[in-house]
Amino acid sequence: ETGVTQTPRHLVMGMTNKKSLKCEQHLGHNAMYWYKQSAKKPLELMFVYSLEERVENNSVPSRFSPECPNSSHLFLHLHTLQPEDSALYLCASSQVPWGTDTQYFGPGTRLTVL
Amino acid sequence: AQSVTQPDIHITVSEGASLELRCNYSYGATPYLFWYVQSPGQGLQLLLKYFSGDTLVQGIKGFEAEFKRSQSSFNLRKPSVHWSDAAEYFCAVGAGGTSYGKLTFGQGTILTVHP
Repeated sequence: ETGVTQTPRHLVMGMTNKKSLKCEQHLGHNAMYWYKQSAKKPLELMFVYSLEERVENNSVPSRFSPECPNSSHLFLHLHTLQPEDSALYLCASSQVPWGTDTQYFGPGTRLTVL
Repeated sequence: AQSVTQPDIHITVSEGASLELRCNYSYGATPYLFWYVQSPGQGLQLLLKYFSGDTLVQGIKGFEAEFKRSQSSFNLRKPSVHWSDAAEYFCAVGAGGTSYGKLTFGQGTILTVHP
């Protein structure tokens, strides 16, 4: 595997379910990110991790819970989601966590909340 | 706070025609500018970036962009479009200093290519 991978690629869940999204980067980077991409809206940065420490949380509801066990893996745990949470969730990584550094994106997980 | 405007939501061109996608940014200091492309069902792929130096930047797939500070613009160009260029294009500006991951994206421009 190369670059940034995400699993699953598609996920359908009910509002009472608990699921997790997984991201893995094979680039040796130290920073990882979660973004939300909704229809007709710009990409929204959700979380930033630097060396497994969360350094940014952009006012994301607590029903989204990120986890970064090491610098190569990032999870987004989901519980009691709402239909408006349906979106494409993108993971990205960069060498350092600054906005000036190039971010490399995974293919995304298409989430549908029923 | 920084912002990015992509004035064109949707652009249609014929294969072989030239292309220019517009991007205007607002940022108080020297901007770090990026263009990404997203094919349907895929993540974002970096086309090119501008940090400093030569204001004409070359990228992958035959794309280039020109940074014009006086116009706060970073327009993307390609001299001859191929059908495989049909995708959505995003301009983004990164904050300098220690703003964690602060990459602000525009709304995107959808490119349709007619044969």
